[in-house]
Amino acid sequence: GENVEQHPSTLSVQEGDSAVIKCTYSDSASNYFPWYKQELGKGPQLIIDIRSNVGEKKDQRIAVTLNKTAKHFSLHITETQPEDSAVYFCAASSYNQGGKLIFGQGTELSVKP
Amino acid sequence: NAGVTQTPKFQVLKTGQSMTLQCAQDMNHEYMSWYRQDPGMGLRLIHYSVGAGITDQGEVPNGYNVSRSTTEDFPLRLLSAAPSQTSVYFCASSFYAGSGTSYNEQFFGPGTRLTVL
Repeated sequence: GENVEQHPSTLSVQEGDSAVIKCTYSDSASNYFPWYKQELGKGPQLIIDIRSNVGEKKDQRIAVTLNKTAKHFSLHITETQPEDSAVYFCAASSYNQGGKLIFGQGTELSVKP
Repeated sequence: NAGVTQTPKFQVLKTGQSMTLQCAQDMNHEYMSWYRQDPGMGLRLIHYSVGAGITDQGEVPNGYNVSRSTTEDFPLRLLSAAPSQTSVYFCASSFYAGSGTSYNEQFFGPGTRLTVL
């Protein structure tokens, strides 16, 4: 089955700097890669996703890149702000698995003012 | 819309006790799932359902039972709680892949923090 590895487990940046979180996956059939943000005491919330027919997607300060050949994808946050501090999870799924998502281990991002 | 709701928010059990974690959604989603979250291990899928009357096992199903009698509700049962089941449990729902406008976007509930002594 699918296995998703996420790095780093913790990341600390200064406000205004960029943050990058990386994930690798094992199942070449995976074609959907969402990123979730989890604030303290809350459930995860989707922030951006990418499908395998796209190499990059941007939404304001957030971008995701996908390299299907290498089977890895990354989350990029630019101009970080203290409210970006949270735990971020990557996940992978394939169309023939319906909604079954396999998550990475999570990255705790801390943005220092 | 309330979205995905979970009850209770907190629960303490003794080893061997049973209980049911409740999950409900009001978005008419076909797909519902249960995850457990443990430090350093991300979210691991316990059980999932693609519609009323249909359930299947995820990555870590042992010790848990589910049923899906309605579209809205997806309860998770612990038959005989063990300390290894101490965790935070999340329920999520989404449109089933290919059947809705939000391909696989899962909406999570606020979680239930369970401690088994």
